[in-house]
Amino acid sequence: GNSVTQMEGPVTLSEEAFLTINCTYTATGYPSLFWYVQYPGEGLQLLLKATKADDKGSNKGFEATYRKETTSFHLEKGSVQVSDSAVYFCALSGNTPLVFGKGTRLSVIA
Amino acid sequence: DTAVSQTPKYLVTQMGNDKSIKCEQNLGHDTMYWYKQDSKKFLKIMFSYNNKELIINETVPNRFSPKSPDKAHLNLHINSLELGDSAVYFCASSPLAGISGELFFGEGSRLTVL
Repeated sequence: GNSVTQMEGPVTLSEEAFLTINCTYTATGYPSLFWYVQYPGEGLQLLLKATKADDKGSNKGFEATYRKETTSFHLEKGSVQVSDSAVYFCALSGNTPLVFGKGTRLSVIA
Repeated sequence: DTAVSQTPKYLVTQMGNDKSIKCEQNLGHDTMYWYKQDSKKFLKIMFSYNNKELIINETVPNRFSPKSPDKAHLNLHINSLELGDSAVYFCASSPLAGISGELFFGEGSRLTVL
């Protein structure tokens, strides 16, 4: 079945550091890929998405490229801020509802 | 105006009790979901309704019963609560039956069973 594997956290970075959170997937067919973010005490919200191979999703300085050859969708940001501290979820959607990875907690310190 | 709203936000109760969580969405979406998030933040789908009809029922104990009176509402009733039911329950909605993948989540209902 479909599954998502993302790097274990927590990840702690200093402000303005470069961020990468790895995500790989297993799926039949051609899934859409997503990154969701959960700020403390809130529900999940969509951060970015890509619907086909080589698409790049981007939002709020975050980027991720749908790589079919490596079945990956790594999340990157060039310069993180304290306000980016949250839990990040990679997810995929094929012919089933969203399947989520286990989440990666990011803490950014000033 | 909150798009997906859940009540209550916090619920503390004793083992064996019965409780309900309500969810409403004002986005006009056809599909609604319940997800369970455990203490390690792992999210697992429980149920999905499309236009009041149950379309996904994952391996969830029979003590959990969803009810959708109309397509804007999806409530979750839990009988005979157990310690392991302690979690955050998220309601979500989407415009299509999950295919688009873009879900809109409520803020969650934290259930603590003592």
